[in-house]
Amino acid sequence: DVKVTQSSRYLVKRTGEKVFLECVQDMDHENMFWYRQDPGLGLRLIYFSYDVKMKEKGDIPEGYSVSREKKERFSLILESASTNQTSMYLCASSLRTSANNEQFFGPGTRLTVL
Amino acid sequence: GQNIDQPTEMTATEGAIVQINCTYQTSGFNGLFWYQQHAGEAPTFLSYNVLDGLEEKGRFSSFLSRSNGYRYLLLKELQMKDSASYLCAVSTDSWGKFQFGAGTQVVVTP
Repeated sequence: DVKVTQSSRYLVKRTGEKVFLECVQDMDHENMFWYRQDPGLGLRLIYFSYDVKMKEKGDIPEGYSVSREKKERFSLILESASTNQTSMYLCASSLRTSANNEQFFGPGTRLTVL
Repeated sequence: GQNIDQPTEMTATEGAIVQINCTYQTSGFNGLFWYQQHAGEAPTFLSYNVLDGLEEKGRFSSFLSRSNGYRYLLLKELQMKDSASYLCAVSTDSWGKFQFGAGTQVVVTP
């Protein structure tokens, strides 16, 4: 059964803290994605990775960085958390194929920055 | 820029039919996807269209016609458990990058 897991369902951090969000997939997918989801704005792409050690900026990369040292793991880092980064963070993975490249999502991490 | 539009909210009664339209302007097109997302949960895949035509999966079906601009998700025989947000997404390149709409909140009433 396909599975994407995220390290925490709920997280509360203080302004200025460094925050790590971890995502692991067990499907041997090449692609991994980090989104944030806010009411009325839908899913917005922060960063994505096509392969190990590869990363590309999405639509809203400011304030975030990522790391992909192993194929199954994709980490999102908030170098210095701010209140406007309070959001739901969703990780996804997919096969790199020109056909149906359905994205599979993790359960999400609801981050609150105080 | 890239833009995907879908209605914000739709309300219907149990047993009814709902059609959720999706319009998009993207730099590329490699398929149209629909996801269902219940409150507080992750999106789950419903349907995929890349060629023109109808894809049917039980009570849900999705339609794509790239030439005349018709793209929609059809929910038939609505049940209370269908109350959720429905996300339209376009795969914009062959590498797998998606652009998502903001979602349509479907409310099913008794």
